[in-house]
Amino acid sequence: QKEVEQDPGPLSVPEGAIVSLNCTYSNSAFQYFMWYRQYSRKGPELLMYTYSSGNKEDGRFTAQVDKSSKYISLFIRDSQPSDSATYLCAIEGGANNLFFGTGTRLTVIP
Amino acid sequence: GAVVSQHPSWVICKSGTSVKIECRSLDFQATTMFWYRQFPKQSLMLMATSNEGSKATYEQGVEKDKFLINHASLTLSTLTVTSAHPEDSSFYICSGSLGGLGYGYTFGSGTRLTVV
Repeated sequence: QKEVEQDPGPLSVPEGAIVSLNCTYSNSAFQYFMWYRQYSRKGPELLMYTYSSGNKEDGRFTAQVDKSSKYISLFIRDSQPSDSATYLCAIEGGANNLFFGTGTRLTVIP
Repeated sequence: GAVVSQHPSWVICKSGTSVKIECRSLDFQATTMFWYRQFPKQSLMLMATSNEGSKATYEQGVEKDKFLINHASLTLSTLTVTSAHPEDSSFYICSGSLGGLGYGYTFGSGTRLTVV
């Protein structure tokens, strides 16, 4: 079983829609969860970093962790064409031990 | 915030030659650097982990003699693709650890290598 599973999409939504991106993970001991955004031919940039369960909000982005279900989500409100990118979830499984999802390619249509 | 500068952003080389990719941590000391490879429409594949002043740890299936990693200082790590072949063409990305569990990671902008 992979440490992290992510639906690769692709996902297309109209501008202004709410986007929900999700990952599941296998090890209940994981506690640090990240979402990265990667534009084409660029390195990933960190969007959200959360510890343990709960929600974290930053502008139009909300990261949610449900440790009981081993499920993490990223919500994007009022999506914009500039949000079109690949979104990768990542989980820290120990110091310097990072597991990535496969990434979900998102397209926001104007 | 923490920045990792990666150069070159793209390079084309002839088959059989070697290419060096540099990653510098600009405003923090990266005790640990990670090197990834990414094929089109695929996720990041960890190639190796390097700690400053010691030998890199390579993932299974990655040839350490082909992908030479040097991490001689806390701010510089290099990846040299030796005797490159067309199948080595890929997107290579480095990442610096900001200090261990819970401190996060920052990525370079990537290097697109094309071997002709």
